[in-house]
Amino acid sequence: AQSVTQLDSHVSVSEGTPVLLRCNYSSSYSPSLFWYVQHPNKGLQLLLKYTSAATLVKGINGFEAEFKKSETSFHLTKPSAHMSDAAEYFCVHGSSNTGKLIFGQGTTLQVKP
Amino acid sequence: DAGVIQSPRHEVTEMGQEVTLRCKPISGHNSLFWYRQTMMRGLELLIYFNNNVPIDDSGMPEDRFSAKMPNASFSTLKIQPSEPRDSAVYFCASSLVTGGANQEETQYFGPGTRLLVL
Repeated sequence: AQSVTQLDSHVSVSEGTPVLLRCNYSSSYSPSLFWYVQHPNKGLQLLLKYTSAATLVKGINGFEAEFKKSETSFHLTKPSAHMSDAAEYFCVHGSSNTGKLIFGQGTTLQVKP
Repeated sequence: DAGVIQSPRHEVTEMGQEVTLRCKPISGHNSLFWYRQTMMRGLELLIYFNNNVPIDDSGMPEDRFSAKMPNASFSTLKIQPSEPRDSAVYFCASSLVTGGANQEETQYFGPGTRLLVL
């Protein structure tokens, strides 16, 4: 069965420093993986998605994620955090052919001035 | 495109009342999903439809919850009677599911309905 594990429930960084949000997945086939972001009192917005076209995926707002099959990871990174990046981030696994998504528990990113 | 539209955005009701949440998916999408989000349980899939047909309702908490999709552009989630533990944010999402291999399955979320049952 497919699953995702977000290794940190809370990450705190200073503005201008790099961001790393970790995600491991479990899948019996080549997965589709996503990162969504949810700002306070808002809906979920797609940051980026991996669908086997390229292992390094670039998303919106300067975020990117690298698919590493050997490590079963799909970590989200950004070189320099901005205050507006403070939000909840979800790593998500797509389910083959059904359209269902399997969500991780979420990581809260705090950005300090 | 206006994106996924949900109404109302906020709902406050008293225990025992009926609550109806509404969703308009993105035009052309054939799958619709209802989620519930709480602090305790995170994001839970309640039910999803494909081509207006309910495919999986295993996440619906109990018989007080029901969902319908009478046509491709409208869905409702009803709670009757409502209870305080139903207080949560309810999200609707839509996607285009083709059934082929390696499809993207990207879901687009609405802004949510924040429900408070007193």
